[in-house]
Amino acid sequence: DTAVSQTPKYLVTQMGNDKSIKCEQNLGHDTMYWYKQDSKKFLKIMFSYNNKELIINETVPNRFSPKSPDKAHLNLHINSLELGDSAVYFCASSQGGAGTDTQYFGPGTRLTVL
Amino acid sequence: GDSVTQMEGPVTLSEEAFLTINCTYTATGYPSLFWYVQYPGEGLQLLLKATKADDKGSNKGFEATYRKETTSFHLEKGSVQVSDSAVYFCALSVTGNQFYFGTGTSLTVIP
Repeated sequence: DTAVSQTPKYLVTQMGNDKSIKCEQNLGHDTMYWYKQDSKKFLKIMFSYNNKELIINETVPNRFSPKSPDKAHLNLHINSLELGDSAVYFCASSQGGAGTDTQYFGPGTRLTVL
Repeated sequence: GDSVTQMEGPVTLSEEAFLTINCTYTATGYPSLFWYVQYPGEGLQLLLKATKADDKGSNKGFEATYRKETTSFHLEKGSVQVSDSAVYFCALSVTGNQFYFGTGTSLTVIP
């Protein structure tokens, strides 16, 4: 069973389009995250949700809007895509908000903006 | 602010060589420290962790010791295998909701 799943795995689109990436976890975790990994493998947190509530919102353009319909899902919607949005986006989850908690990552969505 | 500094790669080793990947951190509180590994085409997965000073995390022959006095959490393995080829990330968390990752170190092990 896949613990954290993301769809789609690959996403190729034109500049200016709007797209969504979906994430689901079946671990019963309370906290979910979105990360962006650039071409140099640098990983940066974008958002964190705990029980459907936004906890962390880093300095991400407001073209990015996370949505958590329930605590098992955290989707990422991106408006007006730009070339610089090309990256691999990872969803992750953890049991709670304790510093000791392990994060479980999804397989990633490779977004290419043309 | 909290941050992690990781040795830059790429690192290329022959099979059975000794591996060290350095990681130092800056934290305002008492962080938990992690090593994550990313195999080609996959997401990150936890390799090991330590939650307090002097703890040693270990898994799959890898180990790292939480050194508060040197603010370090260096990853070591005595004898690497080709299957260890991956990108390794050091990370810290103080609150749990916020993780800080290092820049990743790419390891290639050649037969």
